Amino acid sequence: EAGVAQSPRYKIIEKRQSVAFWCNPISGHATLYWYQQILGQGPKLLIQFQNNGVVDDSQLPKDRFSAERLKGVDSTLKIQPAKLEDSAVYLCASSAKSGTARRGYTFGSGTRLTVV
Amino acid sequence: ELKVEQNPLFLSMQEEKNYTIYCNYSTTSDRLYWYRQDPGKSLESLFVLLSNGAVKQEGRLMASLDTKARLSTLHITAAVHDLSATYFCAVDPFNSGGSNYKLTFGKGTLLTVNP
Repeated sequence: EAGVAQSPRYKIIEKRQSVAFWCNPISGHATLYWYQQILGQGPKLLIQFQNNGVVDDSQLPKDRFSAERLKGVDSTLKIQPAKLEDSAVYLCASSAKSGTARRGYTFGSGTRLTVV
Repeated sequence: ELKVEQNPLFLSMQEEKNYTIYCNYSTTSDRLYWYRQDPGKSLESLFVLLSNGAVKQEGRLMASLDTKARLSTLHITAAVHDLSATYFCAVDPFNSGGSNYKLTFGKGTLLTVNP
């Protein structure tokens, strides 16, 4: 099966600019996640979708970050305006509705964001 | 709040030696995952541990889970250079009343295997 697709792979922007990332999960996967991985740290969950509804966005900085999954398939994550501390790799992951625990989670290749 | 602690954070290994990475977590859970990450790459799933006493092995790596101690170990046998990477454990707080089907990661262990 095809993996989790993300684009772009790399993005360099100036602070206060806006940026958007795109993710297409594995076909049929109901749950989609966005994680932020700062250099030298483990990934941190930003937002979790079940189909097109938000399950958990408690760690999403809502003053500048937004995410949507309008049709329950692909998703976009936006940052506006970006700050220097947003420099990180943004990872998208997906999981099937059933058997999630046993099958685990599949991660995309990530988007590396550099804010200068 | 679930906390996941890995140690050591840095591990410089000699080839053919054995080592263990420890993963402690702060809340009840019987869902623990190990991932490998190569520089500039995404996360590759290594092991899924879903019960107390679970043990999984793949090649030179063996992972185990003790839910009573809230501890998982990743044991490396006879290390080789190809194992150089960062290893993460991640916990789903399923049994703690928290939202399930999401992961909290440790900080990772950067493993370097030297000749």
